[in-house]
Amino acid sequence: GQNIDQPTEMTATEGAIVQINCTYQTSGFNGLFWYQQHAGEAPTFLSYNVLDGLEEKGRFSSFLSRSKGYSYLLLKELQMKDSASYLCGGGQNFVFGPGTRLSVLP
Amino acid sequence: EAGVAQSPRYKIIEKRQSVAFWCNPISGHATLYWYQQILGQGPKLLIQFQNNGVVDDSQLPKDRFSAERLKGVDSTLKIQPAKLEDSAVYLCASSPGPKDTQYFGPGTRLTVL
Repeated sequence: GQNIDQPTEMTATEGAIVQINCTYQTSGFNGLFWYQQHAGEAPTFLSYNVLDGLEEKGRFSSFLSRSKGYSYLLLKELQMKDSASYLCGGGQNFVFGPGTRLSVLP
Repeated sequence: EAGVAQSPRYKIIEKRQSVAFWCNPISGHATLYWYQQILGQGPKLLIQFQNNGVVDDSQLPKDRFSAERLKGVDSTLKIQPAKLEDSAVYLCASSPGPKDTQYFGPGTRLTVL
């Protein structure tokens, strides 16, 4: 199968920067998605990286290295509303990682 | 543009009973997915449709789960009979094509007692 690993939980302070890492087996992956999921809600799309490098979208940026099977999501100027789970996923059979639960503290 | 619709939003049943979930994807989206998300875990793909054909159902427990998308639009997912471990949120998602961004519905929260 295709395994995706993410840290289970992270904590950061309002206004800070946090980086959420994701590693995956490269076989069968054409790109990597990041989704945000607030508790009790459906996942919402954040970004899709198909080429190596950094893509910036407002306070959120996502990076991909296909050869290393590595991606990260960078959140800047953290706000309380960014407290959520962040899911990375992709691959032929569309696999999601376990999600990283981010808690933003005042 | 209307999003992905799912019903019911919540369902509570006894084990060994049957249950069905309905999904209406975004208009024009050819690809439809059903996921199972157990509390505290990422979504697990159960089945993927391309129009009315099954692309991947390798993780669907076929002894009790079934899904169909007869006309290539709406889809239903059925569990018969339900087990305690089926308690989860069942998410439906759709995308224009198989490698495109997926848009999720609000999900159906199933509790099996």
